[in-house]
Amino acid sequence: GAGVSQTPSNKVTEKGKYVELRCDPISGHTALYWYRQSLGQGPEFLIYFQGTGAADDSGLPNDRFFAVRPEGSVSTLKIQRTERGDSAVYLCASSSPGTLSGANVLTFGAGSRLTVL
Amino acid sequence: AQKITQTQPGMFVQEKEAVTLDCTYDTSDPSYGLFWYKQPSSGEMIFLIYQGSYDQQNATEGRYSLNFQKARKSANLVISASQLGDSAMYFCAMESNFGNEKLTFGTGTRLTIIP
Repeated sequence: GAGVSQTPSNKVTEKGKYVELRCDPISGHTALYWYRQSLGQGPEFLIYFQGTGAADDSGLPNDRFFAVRPEGSVSTLKIQRTERGDSAVYLCASSSPGTLSGANVLTFGAGSRLTVL
Repeated sequence: AQKITQTQPGMFVQEKEAVTLDCTYDTSDPSYGLFWYKQPSSGEMIFLIYQGSYDQQNATEGRYSLNFQKARKSANLVISASQLGDSAMYFCAMESNFGNEKLTFGTGTRLTIIP
């Protein structure tokens, strides 16, 4: 597609439930990122994929969070046993290397707003 | 560890005026990149401008320019001739060039352009 697509745009769930957030990156972009943005804060890094593999998952807060990208395109962020503190906007971004003088310019989606009641 | 500091939580600027959004950073890496992103109320982060740490000249992109002062570790964004559509959150971010692909963001500045 023309941009990074994220679904759902809004998700309201109850504490303890399982949630999946989907990201469809720009076609041909090999790198895919997940960030989390809490209210009043800047985005915080969660995980980065290069192709199908997670190259850096150091930002995942705990083992309730997991992400996959099985075919090197669409990615799913999975959150188990959701807690109220997981409420945030989850942003996905993709990039293609060398698009701007070596800079790794990320193109972001509009985000998935997760609310845990 | 990398850190980005944006000390202006909010700014109000008259339309057509120039505005400077402050950003200071901290890193021990000798090679890094600095970015500015705009986030309108729709939520999507929009790339504005990039400055590499070894770039000799300050980056410019249309009405955006980056005032890069390496010794002071500052990378302020200057928007000339502000427009109503510039009203948004603005985030400064940094990336290390040593194979670390993640961006570290500041807390942002909310810019409001007054007609």
